[in-house]
Amino acid sequence: DIQMTQSPSTLSASVGDRVTITCRASQSISNWLAWYQQKPGKAPKLLIYKASSLESGVPSSFSGSGSGTEFTLTISSLQPDDFATYYCQQYNSYPNTFGQGTKLEIK
Amino acid sequence: EVQLLESGGGLVQPGGSLRLSCAASGFTFSSYDMTWVRQAPGKGLEWLSAIRSSGGYTFYADSVKGRFTISRDNSKNTLYLQVNSLRAEDTAVYYCAKSTTSAATRYAMDVWGQGTTVTVSS
Repeated sequence: DIQMTQSPSTLSASVGDRVTITCRASQSISNWLAWYQQKPGKAPKLLIYKASSLESGVPSSFSGSGSGTEFTLTISSLQPDDFATYYCQQYNSYPNTFGQGTKLEIK
Repeated sequence: EVQLLESGGGLVQPGGSLRLSCAASGFTFSSYDMTWVRQAPGKGLEWLSAIRSSGGYTFYADSVKGRFTISRDNSKNTLYLQVNSLRAEDTAVYYCAKSTTSAATRYAMDVWGQGTTVTVSS
């Protein structure tokens, strides 16, 4: 199975900051990577698919990049609504797998 | 509106079984692969199982292979997850999710249900 490792596990930042979350795959997954945002008690929400494609309705402050084994999610200017937990997911092969999550907290 | 609505969760004793359902509406259910994902209390997301649009192919995580069975009834626009031999570590919120595109072998998940809670305890 492909292991997905996110860093950091927790990130403290302020409104207006630019933040980056990294996701590494244990083997190449080409660009078959998605990013999700989850708030407490809610279902995950798709932000980015195919490593860098922005899901419809998602603010352009979110962007994704990478291919192969290393990927990043960047939020260019944090808004209050962005404080949440973020997960990467590989869908190159079965079983699909998620990273352990990155909790983005208000500093 | 595209919608997924899970049901069937509850409190079950270790070793017990449940059948979870996911009712789909607002899209052509028979055209999309579907997935089950769970989240234990305070933990991250765990991909469990997926099924092709036709129901002809199924895929499982090692942690549930042999105990969980995914299926679908395209005439009823409903996805199922039969969960057997339940253990305390299966306690979680179970989500169903829709693939982003039809007729694709690789896909993210763009629509999620609200989840149904399974609690395994004596």
